[in-house]
Amino acid sequence: QSALTQPRSVSGSPGQSVTLSCTGISSNVGGYNYVSWYQQHPGNAPKLIIYDVNRRPSGVPNRFSGSTSGNTASLTISGLQAEDEADYYCCSYAGSYTWVFGGGTKLTVL
Amino acid sequence: QLQLQESGPGLVKPSETLSLTCTVSGDSISTTNFYWGWIRQPPGKGLEWIGTIYYSGTKYYNPSLKSRVTISVDTSRNQFSLKVTSVTAADTAIYYCARHRARTEFDYWGQGTLVTVSS
Repeated sequence: QSALTQPRSVSGSPGQSVTLSCTGISSNVGGYNYVSWYQQHPGNAPKLIIYDVNRRPSGVPNRFSGSTSGNTASLTISGLQAEDEADYYCCSYAGSYTWVFGGGTKLTVL
Repeated sequence: QLQLQESGPGLVKPSETLSLTCTVSGDSISTTNFYWGWIRQPPGKGLEWIGTIYYSGTKYYNPSLKSRVTISVDTSRNQFSLKVTSVTAADTAIYYCARHRARTEFDYWGQGTLVTVSS
């Protein structure tokens, strides 16, 4: 069960939009609409920001949006803010009640 | 408000067994349609799903860890537990417990507890 592939780092300036990718295979990302994304600030537990590919939990700004295309999921953050600087992890259901996470992307707000 | 809290030793010797407990408050661990999982994060690295249990006792494990991991549930105490046997330095990590729905997102997380494997 290999980890999902995420770029190690991404950067953007305040107000810009950035897109983080998460690549899997047909038996995880490409096979189910069960991709979730988590934001993790240093020293904190991960926080759910997107689930079921493109749904936002209550309280998460609509600047965060998710999508998938084939075996790749994407998280787009529009109107980048300083507080968005964090690590972001994707996660996908992988069948038979197993889950796989990505290696994480460090987002830097310039 | 649902809260999860991990507890257990912060230091374990190589070849011994790591044991952690997650105490759930604010809701019953027996609530239908919710599952309870363990996830770990080695220092400076990514997240790894370890395993999941349903209140009925049904368990699911990461195939790469299955031979060394046992998850159990105690509904009377509203707790679930993790055991990892024959630990090595590679098992050093922050261990999180979390709630999730079937097949989908981990919506509530504990604060995490660092377990170091060292003699």
